[in-house]
This record gives sequence, structure tokens and C-alpha cells, in this order.
Amino acid sequence: AQSVTQLDSQVPVFEEAPVELRCNYSSSVSVYLFWYVQYPNQGLQLLLKYLSGSTLVESINGFEAEFNKSQTSFHLRKPSVHISDTAEYFCAVSGQGAQKLVFGQGTRLTINP
Amino acid sequence: EPEVTQTPSHQVTQMGQEVILRCVPISNHLYFYWYRQILGQKVEFLVSFYNNEISEKSEIFDDQFSVERPDGSNFTLKIRSTKLEDSAMYFCASRDFPSEAFFGQGTRLTVV
Repeated sequence: AQSVTQLDSQVPVFEEAPVELRCNYSSSVSVYLFWYVQYPNQGLQLLLKYLSGSTLVESINGFEAEFNKSQTSFHLRKPSVHISDTAEYFCAVSGQGAQKLVFGQGTRLTINP
Repeated sequence: EPEVTQTPSHQVTQMGQEVILRCVPISNHLYFYWYRQILGQKVEFLVSFYNNEISEKSEIFDDQFSVERPDGSNFTLKIRSTKLEDSAMYFCASRDFPSEAFFGQGTRLTVV
């Protein structure tokens, strides 16, 4: 079975500041890892994913995450945030099959001007 | 871009009534899921469905719940005898392998 821990329930940052949202997982098998974003009153949108290959994955809007197998982490980073990044961010893990995704508790990112 | 479609977007029902939440997954996907999110809480897995049968279900998914793929395109979640604590956002998702799950916009269920 897999589990995900997002250590920070809320992260407030100033606009144009860097941000890191932490995600740690546990699993007894090899995993796929995902970050989903949920804007207010909307559904879950994929931000980025790690399936295989390069451990550093990037999104089109400047976010990146690095899969660290030894530390069982998949932290999300952005060097300079924008007001529009205000949202809830969920880290998720699944086994390497079409198994269910297991979500973390979510991190609410609040951007202050 | 293909998307998962859920209807209705919002459903209000009286306690004890039955509701059916509907989803149209992405057409070439083979794996389907229902999740729920109680307001302000995490996204919880309910059930996964593959090859016309349940492949996994959580402890939340008790006899009150059932899923069906009645016509090869729709994927439904039925909740019998709704309770106040069933109030939540319900998300449908579909997945091809190996890839991510694509989620619908959700149905907000309010039980009064």
C-alpha cells in the first residue's frame, strides 16, 4: 500500500518569491508520482508527473519537481510565484500499474502581493 | 483535448434519497475511478473499475454505494439512502496505462 504526506497544510509567500511544497511518500513497490492543482471551485488538474526516466520533471508554467528515491520525496518548486498560482496542491502516488492514486492532504498556496 | 465530463455539477438531495452521479470518461481509457472530497479535506479514493467490474474499493465504499458502466460510455456512482455525511465533492477519473488519471470537474452533492 502507498501513502503520501504533505507536511505543510498552508504555505503563504510573497509574489515573485520562490516556493517549495514538500511531499514524501511510502511504498513497498516502485511508484508513479504526480502533482495535481485545484483552483477554487474547480476540479483536479495535472501539474506534472514522474513515470520513469529523468528524475527532474517540469510543467509548462514554471513548476518543477524532483523524484528522490532515497529520500522518498517528490517536492514541488517554483523559483518565482505569481498571484495566479494561488491554489491547493495535491501530491499523489500510485503503484506502477493502473492502480488507484493515493493523495496527500493537500497544501494551500497563498500568494501575497 | 479530451476530457472527463461529470453531471450534474451540483445536486441537492434529501436525506434518505438515492442519487446517481454520472460521468463520461475519456473514450479510449480503460480504468475508471470515483473519489470524494469532503469540504476542506483530502481527496479520498472510493472505487476503481476495470473490465466491467470493481477492481478495488475502499472501506468508505460500503453497501450504500454501487458503480455501473451501463452503456460503454457512461460510468455512474449510485448512493442509496443518502446521509448528511455523504455531502462532498465527488470526482470521476479515467486513466490509460501508463499515464496519469484525468479528473472531471466534480459533482457537489449536498444532502439536507
